[in-house]
Amino acid sequence: AQSVAQPEDQVNVAEGNPLTVKCTYSVSGNPYLFWYVQYPNRGLQFLLKYITGDNLVKGSYGFEAEFNKSQTSFHLKKPSALVSDSALYFCAVRDRRGGFKTIFGAGTRLFVKA
Amino acid sequence: DTGVSQNPRHKITKRGQNVTFRCDPISEHNRLYWYRQTLGQGPEFLTYFQNEAQLEKSRLLSDRFSAERPKGSFSTLEIQRTEQGDSAMYLCASSLDASSPLHFGNGTRLTVT
Repeated sequence: AQSVAQPEDQVNVAEGNPLTVKCTYSVSGNPYLFWYVQYPNRGLQFLLKYITGDNLVKGSYGFEAEFNKSQTSFHLKKPSALVSDSALYFCAVRDRRGGFKTIFGAGTRLFVKA
Repeated sequence: DTGVSQNPRHKITKRGQNVTFRCDPISEHNRLYWYRQTLGQGPEFLTYFQNEAQLEKSRLLSDRFSAERPKGSFSTLEIQRTEQGDSAMYLCASSLDASSPLHFGNGTRLTVT
């Protein structure tokens, strides 16, 4: 069975500082991995994905994520946080063999203080 | 690309009534998904269509829930005999293929009184 864990309910960071939002996953095969962001009263927006290749994936709005197969992690990072990055972030996993059901984590609220 | 469209945006209904939601996916996407999201939680998978075929339905979904995707275009999600526990945001998403991300609509917020 697939599962995703986001161990932090909330992450607080000062504007200009680097940020990390953690994600670990469990899937029987090789995963597709995704990050989504949800702003208040808005739908989920795709940020970035890991399919294959380079373990460091770059996405929208200056975000990147590092895939670590041995630790089954896919942490979201940004070198310099903005107040406008404050939102709810979801990590998601899809088993390549199944190819359709995407399982989401519970979400991590990022709060960037000016 | 006009995005995924969901209607209505909000629905308030009394317990025991039936409700139906509609989703129009991105036109070239043959994969369509329904999710449910409650406050402070991640989206929970409900069901999946590839073209008109419903290929998986969550075991969490009771028999009161049914979804259709006639002709592989738009989809409807019906909830019969609604209960207060059905109150949630119902999200529709579509994707192009197995490795593509999901594109979400803005959701339908259901409130059962």
